[in-house]
Amino acid sequence: EIVLTQSPATLSLSPGERATLSCRASHIFSSYLAWYQQKPGQAPRLLIYDTSHRAAGVPDRFSGSGSGTDFTLTISSLEPEDFAVYYCQRRGAFGQGTKVEVK
Amino acid sequence: QVRLQESGPGRVQPSDTLSLTCTVSGVSIVAHSWNWIRQPPGKGLEWIGSISYSGDAKYNPSLNSRVTISLDMSTNQVSLKLASVTAGDTAVYYCARVPSITWGEFHFDHWGQGTLVTASS
Repeated sequence: EIVLTQSPATLSLSPGERATLSCRASHIFSSYLAWYQQKPGQAPRLLIYDTSHRAAGVPDRFSGSGSGTDFTLTISSLEPEDFAVYYCQRRGAFGQGTKVEVK
Repeated sequence: QVRLQESGPGRVQPSDTLSLTCTVSGVSIVAHSWNWIRQPPGKGLEWIGSISYSGDAKYNPSLNSRVTISLDMSTNQVSLKLASVTAGDTAVYYCARVPSITWGEFHFDHWGQGTLVTASS
């Protein structure tokens, strides 16, 4: 069973800065990874699927990349509404989350 | 548009069975795969299991012996039963849709708003 490890646990940045979130898999698998954003009191929202495809309505400042065991979610320039917790997922496994907070 | 709405008791007694329903609107449950995911307060996400339109169910091995997921096509609902609950089952329970499965790979594109279930006497 695959284990997904996200880093860092917390990312402290200012609006306008670039955010780079990492998701590392315990072993190599097909390059199919999804990313979700979750705000307090809300359900997760799909951002990226199949490693790099943006979901409907997701701004193009969000991008996904990676292969093998290392995957990345990049937010090119943080907007105030982007401060949230982000999870990666593959099949029945979720990473433990990265919190992007205001510095 | 696609909407998912979870419902059920907010409190369950330890050792009892947790029962939740997800009412789907905007799309027939005959298509797609339907999943349950939970999130303990202040913690991360845990996949519970899924069921396809054909009735094929898959469960998280850590919960397998206690979980049953089923479809009711007459009411367009997905149900979850989790037996022998303990305090560790206290969580927000979400239902979510998988639009399609390709070579065993999938993602969740629509989620309900979730319902908090507390296992406590």
